[in-house]
Amino acid sequence: EIVMTQSPDTLSVSLGDRASLSCRASQTVTSDLAWYQHKPGQAPRLLIYAASRRAPGVPDRFSGSLSGTDFTLTISSLQSDDFAVYYCQHYNSWPPRITFGGGTKVE
Amino acid sequence: EVLLVESGGRVVQPGGSLRLTCVVSGVSLEQYAVHWVRQVPGRGLEWISLLSWDGGSTYYADSVKGRFTISRDTDNNSLFLQMDNLRADDTALYHCAKANGGIYYYSMDVWGKGTPVTVS
Repeated sequence: EIVMTQSPDTLSVSLGDRASLSCRASQTVTSDLAWYQHKPGQAPRLLIYAASRRAPGVPDRFSGSLSGTDFTLTISSLQSDDFAVYYCQHYNSWPPRITFGGGTKVE
Repeated sequence: EVLLVESGGRVVQPGGSLRLTCVVSGVSLEQYAVHWVRQVPGRGLEWISLLSWDGGSTYYADSVKGRFTISRDTDNNSLFLQMDNLRADDTALYHCAKANGGIYYYSMDVWGKGTPVTVS
């Protein structure tokens, strides 16, 4: 079973900071990974899919990358609207499984 | 605009059954795969189930396999989650979500706000 581990649990930042959120797979995986932003009381929002493709309407300050088994979501310059919980989600094609990481709260 | 609206969540006793509904507007369910995802209060997201765009394939998380069934009604553009033999750890907010297109169907680009299920 593939486990996706996000770190840190909480990231304390200031407006304008650069933020890097990590999502590490427990074994070698494909680039079938998405990132979501989740704010209290709202539905999650897709930010990134296929590790680095931005979803339509997502600002270009959000970017995704992959190095080995480490996925990273980078927010280049934090805006007030970016304070939220961020989840990574991986897809394993066989057996078909979708796994979310535990989330990183950006505060 | 694509909208997904869930309903059917309520308080149910352990061992009971519940059927959740997700009404989809703005896009045909015959064009996209769809997912159910739940969020336990104070915890993260857990993927529950996936129905392929053609309705021919279904997939489930191990935690619900054999107890939950995903299905759809294309005439009414609605998605369902039949939940049987419910347990306390099924208590959560249940979201339906439209899959991204093509080979990226594992990702979810439009979500509903969720319907709460309490097993107690």
